[in-house]
Amino acid sequence: GENVEQHPSTLSVQEGDSAVIKCTYSDSASNYFPWYKQELGKRPQLIIDIRSNVGEKKDQRIAVTLNKTAKHFSLHITETQPEDSAVYFCAAGFNSGGSNYKLTFGKGTLLTVNP
Amino acid sequence: SQTIHQWPATLVQPVGSPLSLECTVEGTSNPNLYWYRQAAGRGLQLLFYSVGIGQISSEVPQNLSASRPQDRQFILSSKKLLLSDSGFYLCAWSDPGGRWYEQYFGPGTRLTVT
Repeated sequence: GENVEQHPSTLSVQEGDSAVIKCTYSDSASNYFPWYKQELGKRPQLIIDIRSNVGEKKDQRIAVTLNKTAKHFSLHITETQPEDSAVYFCAAGFNSGGSNYKLTFGKGTLLTVNP
Repeated sequence: SQTIHQWPATLVQPVGSPLSLECTVEGTSNPNLYWYRQAAGRGLQLLFYSVGIGQISSEVPQNLSASRPQDRQFILSSKKLLLSDSGFYLCAWSDPGGRWYEQYFGPGTRLTVT
């Protein structure tokens, strides 16, 4: 089955700096790579995703990159703000139009943005 | 709009007792349903998922089982709890016809086995 490794497990940055979280996956069939954010005491929520036919995607201060050959993908947050402090999860999955709708999550990165 | 409910919110059970956690979704039909366990605020471990009534996929061999008796109801059970079953259990749903990878999580159940 799929295995997703996520690094680092904790990350502390100063407000305004950039943060990068990296993930690797093992199953070359995976073609969906979502990222979730979980604030303290809240539920995980999807913040951005990338598909295998795209190398990079941006949404304001957040960007994701994907290298299918190397089987790794990354989350980049620029101009970090205290409200970016949370646990971030990467995930990988594939769907061929059949019955597989499973995501494999990384173990999470605790991001702390210091004011 | 769609909502997802889980109950109970917290539960303290002795070792060897049975377990039943319930999850229901409103405002959608034929959702994918998922049970996760989250350890210490991290690590979303997929336990079970279901694409339809009576269809359950088990991801991790363990002391737990799941059932989907109705389209929007997902139940996590155990006949005899172990200490290692303690944790935070999250139910989630997604739309199989659209952004299936966007999962919507419930508020969770904090289970303590004593």
